Amino acid sequence: NAGVTQTPKFRILKIGQSMTLQCTQDMNHNYMYWYRQDPGMGLKLIYYSVGAGITDKGEVPNGYNVSRSTTEDFPLRLELAAPSQTSVYFCASGEQGASNQPQHFGDGTRLSIL
Amino acid sequence: GQNIDQPTEMTATEGAIVQINCTYQTSGFNGLFWYQQHAGEAPTFLSYNVLDGLEEKGRFSSFLSRSKGYSYLLLKELQMKDSASYLCAVTLNRDDKIIFGKGTRLHILP
Repeated sequence: NAGVTQTPKFRILKIGQSMTLQCTQDMNHNYMYWYRQDPGMGLKLIYYSVGAGITDKGEVPNGYNVSRSTTEDFPLRLELAAPSQTSVYFCASGEQGASNQPQHFGDGTRLSIL
Repeated sequence: GQNIDQPTEMTATEGAIVQINCTYQTSGFNGLFWYQQHAGEAPTFLSYNVLDGLEEKGRFSSFLSRSKGYSYLLLKELQMKDSASYLCAVTLNRDDKIIFGKGTRLHILP
């Protein structure tokens, strides 16, 4: 059972570079989320999607973009990497939204911007 | 605004019992999740409370008081593998998002 798969697991970027963090899930979940987690902090929501073709901003969307062309995939794009974006990024999916169903998390992408 | 508070760190002894508290101030509260997160790993689901009272799952129990804006996670017969961060997270009515607290890092001593 693959669940939620994130790639890459680690990445170092230079300031100003761009990259896409990949996330795919095989549970046919409609809801998908991107979080960032800074050291000693909780999870902060960047973007989320309630279904293919629909995306919405979370708490900290600046500097990021997402797309949801299929149910399975929810990539996160960093256009101009900044040191403040150094973090661990988690993708998650859920069956019926956040209200009463747990989210399933990927293993995370550890990103450093130097 | 929405606010969730939980202690930053706690220490307990193997075999003992520990209670991790979480208080929240939100509008339109729906339910509360507890997640466990080992260092360097993804969060994993522990429990969900929507009604007042205690939910028991083996060594772990979770309690909710909606009127007091308060929850706790109770861990019994602590094992070394319980060393982890425990995240309290709140869901709101008619909202598809979860609001996470900063987490409580639990250290287990032998």
